[in-house]
Amino acid sequence: ETGVTQTPRHLVMGMTNKKSLKCEQHLGHNAMYWYKQSAKKPLELMFVYNFKEQTENNSVPSRFSPECPNSSHLFLHLHTLQPEDSALYLCASSLQVQGASNQPQHFGDGTRLSIL
Amino acid sequence: GENVEQHPSTLSVQEGDSAVIKCTYSDSASNYFPWYKQELGKGPQLIIDIRSNVGEKKDQRIAVTLNKTAKHFSLHITETQPEDSAVYFCAASYMERGFQKLVFGTGTRLLVSP
Repeated sequence: ETGVTQTPRHLVMGMTNKKSLKCEQHLGHNAMYWYKQSAKKPLELMFVYNFKEQTENNSVPSRFSPECPNSSHLFLHLHTLQPEDSALYLCASSLQVQGASNQPQHFGDGTRLSIL
Repeated sequence: GENVEQHPSTLSVQEGDSAVIKCTYSDSASNYFPWYKQELGKGPQLIIDIRSNVGEKKDQRIAVTLNKTAKHFSLHITETQPEDSAVYFCAASYMERGFQKLVFGTGTRLLVSP
């Protein structure tokens, strides 16, 4: 039990499909993150939500759309994806206090996404 | 912005040997450095972290050292076991608009042979 649960674990979709990834954390954290992990590349931060407010969008294409309805749940809505979007998508959470650092991020096990 | 470099990319050792993974960072304001272990099919798991007010931290067979002047930090695993085989990531924190973010290294694949 990692405290951060992601579903589904695997997803295969065509380029014209619409799907959503889900993340849920049971750690009482107030910040949640989406990362993309591709082979031989560092983890890429995509989106950050602090206190349910989106505070970061690292130039992510609009075909990725995040949603954070509350501090425990995070979604990533996908539509019209490209083959290069195939990757492992990781969700993380942490306890953020404004102006303070040194808080660890805890990751889920990810969703392995394959675009046909 | 922050940049983190990690070496080596792969490391093979015999069971019982020590393993050392090194990272450098660019932002002198970074003050938090976690290490993650990622096993096949799993997400990264935090194994140890160090804050900039200390130079070394140990947890059983794992230790991390930090040299703020040189801006590098290292992970040391002693008495390695086959179950230590995994990909290890270092990271450095930076503050942006009052909130912490992490920049990760590219990972080190550690293989421990029996």
